[in-house]
Amino acid sequence: DTEVTQTPKHLVMGMTNKKSLKCEQHMGHRAMYWYKQKAKKPPELMFVYSYEKLSINESVPSRFSPECPNSSLLNLHLHALQPEDSALYLCASTLTGTGATEAFFGQGTRLTVV
Amino acid sequence: SQELEQSPQSLIVQEGKNLTINCTSSKTLYGLYWYKQKYGEGLIFLMMLQKGGEEKSHEKITAKLDEKKQQSSLHITASQPSHAGIYLCGADIGDGGSNYKLTFGKGTLLTVNP
Repeated sequence: DTEVTQTPKHLVMGMTNKKSLKCEQHMGHRAMYWYKQKAKKPPELMFVYSYEKLSINESVPSRFSPECPNSSLLNLHLHALQPEDSALYLCASTLTGTGATEAFFGQGTRLTVV
Repeated sequence: SQELEQSPQSLIVQEGKNLTINCTSSKTLYGLYWYKQKYGEGLIFLMMLQKGGEEKSHEKITAKLDEKKQQSSLHITASQPSHAGIYLCGADIGDGGSNYKLTFGKGTLLTVNP
């Protein structure tokens, strides 16, 4: 199994809603990532978890709250988002968080904030 | 901060033609990756290069890393419509400690006309 599975594929939420994005992998990878991608832009790193601990936070607003319950799961909790937060959210995983290793990406969640 | 410069930003070629995409860094690259992305989807790993002068091929796609490990090129031979998409170069950027984060160039949009 070399897949990273993200759910849901599409999400529409209001600015007062609370929702969560989920990401799962069963490759034994110990580093997991959240990226945000706006249209016609490259993915931008948001968070990195290494061995279930948050290792990198790219100064992301607190309305985005990551969680790593175990080594296979990564969540992104969303609360009080703004329309400009609408984007494709990509999850990725690597064997370790120390670089020089292939990153596997999920298909993304297309988020629309209304 | 280290940035990856990709060129060209977009490319339109006739089916069967060869093409090259370049990726340049101002600093020595620890690991250089090439990914392909279809619009609105996840990233597909193509190749990873680590050693100066390294060259790898997969089907009709060849990637090279120069001796100084600051520039990489992706070459597609006899392009096909299936090669169309966004090509992203990525590199491991260290945080000064033991953590590395995969960051991307701005991407090259490739269109292959039948």
